[in-house]
Amino acid sequence: AQSVTQPDIHITVSEGASLELRCNYSYGATPYLFWYVQSPGQGLQLLLKYFSGDTLVQGIKGFEAEFKRSQSSFNLRKPSVHWSDAAEYFCAASSGGSYIPTFGRGTSLIVHP
Amino acid sequence: NAGVTQTPKFQVLKTGQSMTLQCAQDMNHEYMSWYRQDPGMGLRLIHYSVGAGITDQGEVPNGYNVSRSTTEDFPLRLLSAAPSQTSVYFCASSYRMRDGYTFGSGTRLTVV
Repeated sequence: AQSVTQPDIHITVSEGASLELRCNYSYGATPYLFWYVQSPGQGLQLLLKYFSGDTLVQGIKGFEAEFKRSQSSFNLRKPSVHWSDAAEYFCAASSGGSYIPTFGRGTSLIVHP
Repeated sequence: NAGVTQTPKFQVLKTGQSMTLQCAQDMNHEYMSWYRQDPGMGLRLIHYSVGAGITDQGEVPNGYNVSRSTTEDFPLRLLSAAPSQTSVYFCASSYRMRDGYTFGSGTRLTVV
């Protein structure tokens, strides 16, 4: 079955430190890949997406993600975290048929001052 | 340009009651979906539509109905509310799925 796994439920970092959130997918072919961010009480906002081409993609708010086919991964990175980055982050993937995405369970980012 | 509009934002229902969650988008998106979000479960797909007149079931469709009579609107109907349907519901739309979704701000539903 197609699935998206975010291994870390919570991640705690200090403000100014670098960040990497992990995402692994289980799909037969290369899926469309996405990262979304959700601030408390809000809807989800698209951070970045990948469907082909350069495997390092840039998104909004200074985030980037790298697609690694050999590892079935699409990890999200940011070189220096700001307190306002504290939120829930969701990885999603879609493939075949209608391409409706499946979401991971999310990673909660906590930023210490 | 309102994006995806969901109403109401909050709702309390009694067990057995029915209601409709509204979702409208003004971006001429063909794809629309309903998800529910529960703690630790991420977003789970309830129903989706790939265009007016076309709907299909997602991962957790039981207890919910949808219809898509226009491109703009995609209402979600709870037929007979149960406490297990207490959740936050999100509507999302997309022009092309490779572009990703635009999400509404959600409806927080409590069934007592």
